[in-house]
Amino acid sequence: GESVGLHLPTLSVQEGDNSIINCAYSNSASDYFIWYKQESGKGPQFIIDIRSNMDKRQGQRVTVLLNKTVKHLSLQIAATQPGDSAVYFCAENLFSGGYNKLIFGAGTRLAVHP
Amino acid sequence: GAVVSQHPSWVICKSGTSVKIECRSLDFQATTMFWYRQFPKQSLMLMATSNEGSKATYEQGVEKDKFLINHASLTLSTLTVTSAHPEDSSFYICSARPWESVNQPQHFGDGTRLSIL
Repeated sequence: GESVGLHLPTLSVQEGDNSIINCAYSNSASDYFIWYKQESGKGPQFIIDIRSNMDKRQGQRVTVLLNKTVKHLSLQIAATQPGDSAVYFCAENLFSGGYNKLIFGAGTRLAVHP
Repeated sequence: GAVVSQHPSWVICKSGTSVKIECRSLDFQATTMFWYRQFPKQSLMLMATSNEGSKATYEQGVEKDKFLINHASLTLSTLTVTSAHPEDSSFYICSARPWESVNQPQHFGDGTRLSIL
């Protein structure tokens, strides 16, 4: 279902450390998942995606893990940089009403400290 | 590639006026576009799915007569907030996907900050 958060949880990390952002999704029928990064005053920016027939996918400095058993996604960012500071959303693709639509998670704010 | 442009980026207007927001796919065609609303420190909430050449599909709780959507071409969808009131103040974001396929991510515009006085 749709997720609304009253506040954003924050993950604070030191520059150079690895970051892990977690997300629980709600629909077992979801077959495609995406991580987005949103900077202040901007729209979400695509980071990485994964289909439900995979459990891991790697990009440049980022890795997404999918555990369908417990409906859990994680985003790992290696060697976190100040430019990674933003709000991160996971989104699940759900086919409903004849259309594929995205349902967004509550989001996590990543704060990178020098 | 896959650039989505949204206009205006911000608008301030008086209560009772109507505001139109445009969403364009600049380098691809999109039969389907999506409109979201985002309140401060909250997630994106899907409002409606905009379909080229047909009526939009609205999510539960979204007033069709309040939020008019027109998708007249494969590269343009518009959202009109009619008779806007302060509670309609929010960040409105559109997205589009190059093909109606589960294998392509949605690409987002940079949003429109709407403030109703």
